[in-house]
Amino acid sequence: GAGVSQTPSNKVTEKGKYVELRCDPISGHTALYWYRQSLGQGPEFLIYFQGTGAADDSGLPNDRFFAVRPEGSVSTLKIQRTERGDSAVYLCASSLGIGGDYGYTFGSGTRLTVV
Amino acid sequence: AQSVAQPEDQVNVAEGNPLTVKCTYSVSGNPYLFWYVQYPNRGLQFLLKYITGDNLVKGSYGFEAEFNKSQTSFHLKKPSALVSDSALYFCAVKIRGYQKVTFGTGTKLQVIP
Repeated sequence: GAGVSQTPSNKVTEKGKYVELRCDPISGHTALYWYRQSLGQGPEFLIYFQGTGAADDSGLPNDRFFAVRPEGSVSTLKIQRTERGDSAVYLCASSLGIGGDYGYTFGSGTRLTVV
Repeated sequence: AQSVAQPEDQVNVAEGNPLTVKCTYSVSGNPYLFWYVQYPNRGLQFLLKYITGDNLVKGSYGFEAEFNKSQTSFHLKKPSALVSDSALYFCAVKIRGYQKVTFGTGTKLQVIP
């Protein structure tokens, strides 16, 4: 597609539930990133994929968070046993080449609200 | 380690006046520096980057930024502000060879007609 597509745009879930957030990057972009943006803060790095593999997952806050990119295109961020503190906008970005040296193209994000 | 500081939560400027949004950084290597803009209810948009070369880099919508190694700064500038420039601006840094980009907390730019 023309841009990075994220679905759903909004997700409300109950505490303790499992959620999946989807990201469809720009065609041909091999690098894919997940960030989390809390209210009043800048985006916080979660995980980076180069192709199918997670090259850097050092930003995942704990083992309730997991992300996959099985075919090197679409990625899914999975959150188990959601907590109210997980409420944030989850941003996906893709870039041409390695390392985001050319800058990212971000999606519009998924606003996750845990009640 | 890498970090970015945006010392101003908000910057107000009159339309037509020059604007500056400040950013300082700290890295333990060669920095790559970026500015992004976020309009209400829209995603982050890439404005410009500094990797190497000329210290003054030009980007989208007439914005430019000056890399100052001695002051570890990368301030965003525009000669003449437009009301439509009102948005949230983020400075970001990464280290060459590494993938993680660290963003600042953002500066809200308000251009007053």
